[in-house]
Amino acid sequence: AQSVSQHNHHVILSEAASLELGCNYSYGGTVNLFWYVQYPGQHLQLLLKYFSGDPLVKGIKGFEAEFIKSKFSFNLRKPSVQWSDTAEYFCAVSFSGGYNKLIFGAGTRLAVHP
Amino acid sequence: EAGVAQSPRYKIIEKRQSVAFWCNPISGHATLYWYQQILGQGPKLLIQFQNNGVVDDSQLPKDRFSAERLKGVDSTLKIQPAKLEDSAVYLCASSSPGTPEKLFFGSGTQLSVL
Repeated sequence: AQSVSQHNHHVILSEAASLELGCNYSYGGTVNLFWYVQYPGQHLQLLLKYFSGDPLVKGIKGFEAEFIKSKFSFNLRKPSVQWSDTAEYFCAVSFSGGYNKLIFGAGTRLAVHP
Repeated sequence: EAGVAQSPRYKIIEKRQSVAFWCNPISGHATLYWYQQILGQGPKLLIQFQNNGVVDDSQLPKDRFSAERLKGVDSTLKIQPAKLEDSAVYLCASSSPGTPEKLFFGSGTQLSVL
């Protein structure tokens, strides 16, 4: 069965530190990849997505993610985090022929301290 | 643009009782999703509608859960009878025909089954 794994459940950083959140999926076919974010008290929203083309995709608020097909990975990065990046981050995958059915990872809770 | 509306925001019931959740998607969004998010896990798709037809309900516990989307607009999700393990946040999402891969989520209904 298709699945998505996020390596870190909780991450604590100081402002200006660099961020990398890991995401791996299990599926050998064509995939679409997403990162969603949920800020405290708010609903889930799309941060960035990858469908095809350049494997390095840029999203909102300075986030980027790199698709490495050989490693089945789609890690999220940000060079310098801010306190306002405190949120829960979810990696998600949809599979070819899956009617845009998203399979989510368990999420990573990020806390950024000033 | 109005977002995805869900009600109620919170619900507390005892096991074996029934409960219903309501969702009004963004106007014009043909696809509607119900996700279940248990504490510490990522959202899990319960059912997906395309207009008023079911596209995927493979993970819906059909012995106790039911959902409908009459007239292809708003939707209700019902649990009868509820079990302790149904305690979760129930998220509704919708997407437009032009960008089916971009889901817009509501704030969710937090259900506690005692």
